[in-house]
Amino acid sequence: EVQLVESGGGLVQPGGSLRLSCAASGFTFSSYAMHWVRQAPGKGLEYVSSISFDGTSTYYADSVKGRFTISRDNSKHTLFLQMASLRVEDMAVYYCARDRSYGYEWIDYWGQGTLVTVSS
Amino acid sequence: EIVMTQSPATLSVSPGERATLSCRASQSISSDLAWYQHKPGQAPRLLIYGASTRATGIPARFSGSGSGTEFTLTISSLQSEDFAVYYCQQYNNWPPWTFGQGTKVEIK
Repeated sequence: EVQLVESGGGLVQPGGSLRLSCAASGFTFSSYAMHWVRQAPGKGLEYVSSISFDGTSTYYADSVKGRFTISRDNSKHTLFLQMASLRVEDMAVYYCARDRSYGYEWIDYWGQGTLVTVSS
Repeated sequence: EIVMTQSPATLSVSPGERATLSCRASQSISSDLAWYQHKPGQAPRLLIYGASTRATGIPARFSGSGSGTEFTLTISSLQSEDFAVYYCQQYNNWPPWTFGQGTKVEIK
C-alpha cells in the first residue's frame, strides 16, 4: 500500500524557516517524480514544487521560487521541502504527492498533509 | 501558464441525481487532464486521468470526457460519500502544473 506521511509543519513567524518531510513507503520511491501541493485556508489546491525521480531536476511555482528548495533522499525514501523567508501567504496545508511515473504526468497518490502557520 | 477554470463554483444536488462539472483550459491541453476528489481533512483522491480513464478502484458512476480545452466530469447518481470538492488539473504544459479553483458538490 502506497503511503505518504508528511511532517514538520507548525507555527513560524514571518521571515522564518521550516523544513517539511514526507516519508514514503509501499513503492519504489526512487522510480517516481514527486510533488508538493498546498491549500491555503478557504482556497483551492496550488502547485508548489516538483522533483525528478533521481533528484537532478526541480521545478517551482513562481510564488515560491528562490525561497523554497525541494530535495529527496532516495536511500531514506524521503522527500523534503525547505522553506525560507516565509510569508503570511505561505500559510497552508502542504501535501506531498507522487507522480504516476518517473516523468511528469498526473498525481496518483497524496499524503494527508501538514499544516504550516505563518503568524507573528 | 495554462489557466484552468471550473464551473460552477458550487453545485447543489440531491442524492441519486446526476452532477455535471465543467473544466476549461486557457489553451489546448489535448487529453492531459486529471480530476481529483477532496474531502475536508483527507488526502485528495485521483478519480480520472487522461481526461476519461477512471483510476483504480473508482466507481463507474464517475466518468470524464472532453479534449482540447473543454472537459466534463459526470457523477451519474450521487451517493452520500460523493459530496466533496472536485478539482481538475492539467499536466500538458509545465511547469507549472495547474489546478482549477474547484467545484464544491453539496447536498441540496
